Amino acid sequence: SQQGEEDPQALSIQEGENATMNCSYKTSINNLQWYRQNSGRGLVHLILIRSNEREKHSGRLRVTLDTSKKSSSLLITASRAADTASYFCATDRNAGNMLTFGGGTRLMVKP
Amino acid sequence: EAQVTQNPRYLITVTGKKLTVTCSQNMNHEYMSWYRQDPGLGLRQIYYSMNVEVTDKGDVPEGYKVSRKEKRNFPLILESPSPNQTSLYFCASATRTGQDTQYFGPGTRLTVL
Repeated sequence: SQQGEEDPQALSIQEGENATMNCSYKTSINNLQWYRQNSGRGLVHLILIRSNEREKHSGRLRVTLDTSKKSSSLLITASRAADTASYFCATDRNAGNMLTFGGGTRLMVKP
Repeated sequence: EAQVTQNPRYLITVTGKKLTVTCSQNMNHEYMSWYRQDPGLGLRQIYYSMNVEVTDKGDVPEGYKVSRKEKRNFPLILESPSPNQTSLYFCASATRTGQDTQYFGPGTRLTVL
């Protein structure tokens, strides 16, 4: 089952613009994580936000979490061509033992 | 360097020929997990392990086996591979649980003819 669903599925922007991706999930969570994947390669952890946090920053990344709406957003500011990748949200379930990934957002940043 | 390694990285095999994909981590992590990634289906969890000799099914365990005899290793075994197991496989590890930051291996691209 896919707990998390990303929106949009694909996003194309110009370098320097901001990119916003959204994630919705279905059940209660402890943490929500965002990962990045360059084509066909392993996922890289970007940021983890706990259920009692509302916003978190890391460099050009800003993540928000709204547990009442069961949704999260990832904002990448001042995007670069190197940000071109797929971005996934992941939520824990089954008492935190399992991790469920959304379908991902494919981001293309044009130079 | 802290890392998760997988072998082989690429494998083409035939239906029914048993194979093992190895996974090893050097971070002393308790939690390890296997995922498969398919177009349109995202990443789906196959099996996970909370510690040595403790394994449990994920969302798509059919056709797979795992073992965790040592903390650092978590091999994925396909006893009788079928074409529907053609996929990109990832191993991951984390400090304690699925709630923690996951460290992913580079992936194994498997084709079953």
